[in-house]
Amino acid sequence: SYELTQPPSVSVSPGQTARITCSADALPKYYAFWYQQKPGQAPVLVIYKDTTRPSGIPERFSGSSSGTTVTLTISGVQAEDEADYYCQSADSSGAYVVFGGGTKLTVL
Amino acid sequence: EVQLVQSGAEVKKPGESLKISCKGSGYSFSSYWIGWVRQMPGKGLEWMGIIYPGDSDTRYSPSFQGQVTISVDKSISTAYLQWSSLKASDTAMYYCARTTAMDNAFDYWGQGTLVTVSS
Repeated sequence: SYELTQPPSVSVSPGQTARITCSADALPKYYAFWYQQKPGQAPVLVIYKDTTRPSGIPERFSGSSSGTTVTLTISGVQAEDEADYYCQSADSSGAYVVFGGGTKLTVL
Repeated sequence: EVQLVQSGAEVKKPGESLKISCKGSGYSFSSYWIGWVRQMPGKGLEWMGIIYPGDSDTRYSPSFQGQVTISVDKSISTAYLQWSSLKASDTAMYYCARTTAMDNAFDYWGQGTLVTVSS
């Protein structure tokens, strides 16, 4: 079955830059979206259509795309950014929604 | 204000049936798809399927096809997820979320419904 591959974990110190990647063959063809999920809460959209930040999301969150990999970048990481992050896109046929396995961001 | 409000937590026994709900408000309910997402304890997000309230067009993930039924009653702006015979492995948090299209983001999410299946 089609998969979006994310690293299980990323660790950074406060103020540093965190980069979380998501890779899959069909990513050049379909947009990717990123969600932040804190413990006990529903996911929150932080990036849509690869690079666009919804209103209300801090400017330190940004997205980029290169070939078969999309990247969520959090600049100047704060303690409150510690969470699980998930990418979402479509499968190779475009018929189904797929989520990545999630990346746990730890702020040291 | 856009809101998706889900029904409360459920505790069921294996083999029982269940229908959980997701009520939308603050927007044109019929014009946005409603998707369902499973999150098993300590695990990631899994897309189960999606429905368009305007015409009840429904799509299922191959992993969930035949295992659940997604439906909608647009007259009361409510989408449903149901099981005819629950298994212990259905224990999970279930979220509904809305999107403008199959290939777009889920911009608003419900608070989640915890389903526990245990004998």
